[in-house]
Amino acid sequence: DAGVTQTPRHEVAEKGQTIILKCEPVSGHNDLFWYRQTKIQGLELLSYFRSKSLMEDGGAFKDRFKAEMLNSSFSTLKIQPTEPKDSAVYLCASSPGSSNERLFFGHGTKLSVL
Amino acid sequence: GDKVKQSPSALSLQEGTNSALRCNFSIAATTVQWFLQNPRGSLMNLFYLVPGTKENGRLKSAFDSKESYSTLHIRDAQLEDSGTYFCAAEADNMGYKLTFGTGTSLLVDP
Repeated sequence: DAGVTQTPRHEVAEKGQTIILKCEPVSGHNDLFWYRQTKIQGLELLSYFRSKSLMEDGGAFKDRFKAEMLNSSFSTLKIQPTEPKDSAVYLCASSPGSSNERLFFGHGTKLSVL
Repeated sequence: GDKVKQSPSALSLQEGTNSALRCNFSIAATTVQWFLQNPRGSLMNLFYLVPGTKENGRLKSAFDSKESYSTLHIRDAQLEDSGTYFCAAEADNMGYKLTFGTGTSLLVDP
């Protein structure tokens, strides 16, 4: 499967823990996005990378959320320290970029913070 | 207010019938994407549109940038069409940022 791969599929954390979510974009895609999805807020953009450079670091999410892209085929989203309100589905997506922003999503990581 | 307004918010269809979902934009949308999130949570890209129409099997989508709306038509609805449909718009003054609608929850009954 050459789509967007996210691990783990589920994560349970205690309040105050550090968790790291992982994403592998579609091979050859230049743009990578991290979103958070909740029933109340819907889809919220956390971070955006273009050709590995951080273009958007999420505004309100800056203080405890840090996304990194060490190479073109791997990105991480660290949440430190976790809080119960962080419980959500975290979605990674990629697109070709260069005037083609068609977005492809991974299956997501469902995070539960106790 | 909502920059991307989807309607209806929920819909129930009998298998084999047709329906249309709609998105109205209060931003200057330049491209539109439609997604289906299945009951397991996976988001699948259905269409990526510049102004105009596209068709794929039983699905057809149109985007009118002047009138600021997009539609998704489902013909001969099947059980596997059930899920939540999202539209998302890209606007010139927002660069890469997609603005998502709140979704239409569709249930297809046998």
